Amino acid sequence: DVKVTQSSRYLVKRTGEKVFLECVQDMDHENMFWYRQDPGLGLRLIYFSYDVKMKEKGDIPEGYSVSREKKERFSLILESASTNQTSMYLCASPSNGGETQYFGPGTRLLVL
Amino acid sequence: AQSVTQLDSQVPVFEEAPVELRCNYSSSVSVYLFWYVQYPNQGLQLLLKYLSGSTLVKGINGFEAEFNKSQTSFHLRKPSVHISDTAEYFCAVSDLKAAGNKLTFGGGTRVLVKP
Repeated sequence: DVKVTQSSRYLVKRTGEKVFLECVQDMDHENMFWYRQDPGLGLRLIYFSYDVKMKEKGDIPEGYSVSREKKERFSLILESASTNQTSMYLCASPSNGGETQYFGPGTRLLVL
Repeated sequence: AQSVTQLDSQVPVFEEAPVELRCNYSSSVSVYLFWYVQYPNQGLQLLLKYLSGSTLVKGINGFEAEFNKSQTSFHLRKPSVHISDTAEYFCAVSDLKAAGNKLTFGGGTRVLVKP
């Protein structure tokens, strides 16, 4: 079974803290994505990576950065967390042809 | 850039009645189309997908969707809903000409099935 795992299911952080969200996939996929999910807005793409050390901005990259040092791991970084970054964060990793998308269970982040 | 519109944010429906959830997207050139369901406090689950071939796609739990290239639509239907179909439904499009096979999602449709 393909698995996409995320380091935490729930996180509570304070404004200004640096936050790391980690995602790991075990199927040697090239592409990995970070989305955030908010009520009424669906899932919006923050960043994606199509290879090690390669990254591209998605639709809402402001306030975020990413790191992909190894193929299986894609990290989302909030340099200085703000309350408007309270959200559900989902990692995804599609099969290399794009026919199947695999999602992690999500991390629910609360920034106080 | 690809955009996806789910025309109804909420759809109340009585048990055993049919339901249709509408989805339109901006570009029909080389796309894969998906419908996902998210039950309360759970992750995303794939309902069905269109990659190629027959425009009528059947998925899990009695759902089906029809790809209409001329209208750039991918509406989801179920002829008779159950209480357990209460969930949020997301339409998503993968533009094969865009880098990375990224998905663009609609805003979601909440389905509330009433007894």
